[in-house]
Amino acid sequence: DGGITQSPKYLFRKEGQNVTLSCEQNLNHDAMYWYRQDPGQGLRLIYYSQIVNDFQKGDIAEGYSVSREKKESFPLTVTSAQKNPTAFYLCASARVLGQGLSGYTFGSGTRLTVV
Amino acid sequence: SQQGEEDPQALSIQEGENATMNCSYKTSINNLQWYRQNSGRGLVHLILIRSNEREKHSGRLRVTLDTSKKSSSLLITASRAADTASYFCALLYGGSQGNLIFGKGTKLSVKP
Repeated sequence: DGGITQSPKYLFRKEGQNVTLSCEQNLNHDAMYWYRQDPGQGLRLIYYSQIVNDFQKGDIAEGYSVSREKKESFPLTVTSAQKNPTAFYLCASARVLGQGLSGYTFGSGTRLTVV
Repeated sequence: SQQGEEDPQALSIQEGENATMNCSYKTSINNLQWYRQNSGRGLVHLILIRSNEREKHSGRLRVTLDTSKKSSSLLITASRAADTASYFCALLYGGSQGNLIFGKGTKLSVKP
């Protein structure tokens, strides 16, 4: 079955440590996204990529980094510069259509906690 | 902010009743989408409605769009306990660089 897989489901980070969240899709979607979700704040865009080897900052990119070396993969690194990383992270993908994008397909999320 | 604003923030109803959630926005849009999120899970796409459409149906879901009022509504008919979730509207507009802008959601609770 086609879909989008995030791993791990739960992740614990120590102060000053970098961690990488995985996102893989086999939907042949061109566009991929990373969102952060905090309670009561909806989804905020961290980074997005609409083509391989290219990505753009979203609204809250500081303290995060990404890469898009393969169409299927869009890993997110939470660096030590991100001072408040505890949150629920969601990866999504979408197909580029003539007049925009298809609906987004989301992964099941990674819950990151700083310990 | 260019995000949609859902109303109400929370809604509690009995099983079998209809649930209506609204989304208002401030700028012209290309399309508007509704998503559902069960607690601790990813979002699931429900319906996409384009700016030149006024109404769409999918099973027990009915979405309307009024571009003159810059608002949309999601109606869930004959609700079930399994409909308990948060519902988000998401906007695609010309200035969003092809990205959806999500609102903060309506938390729906359906009591058996």
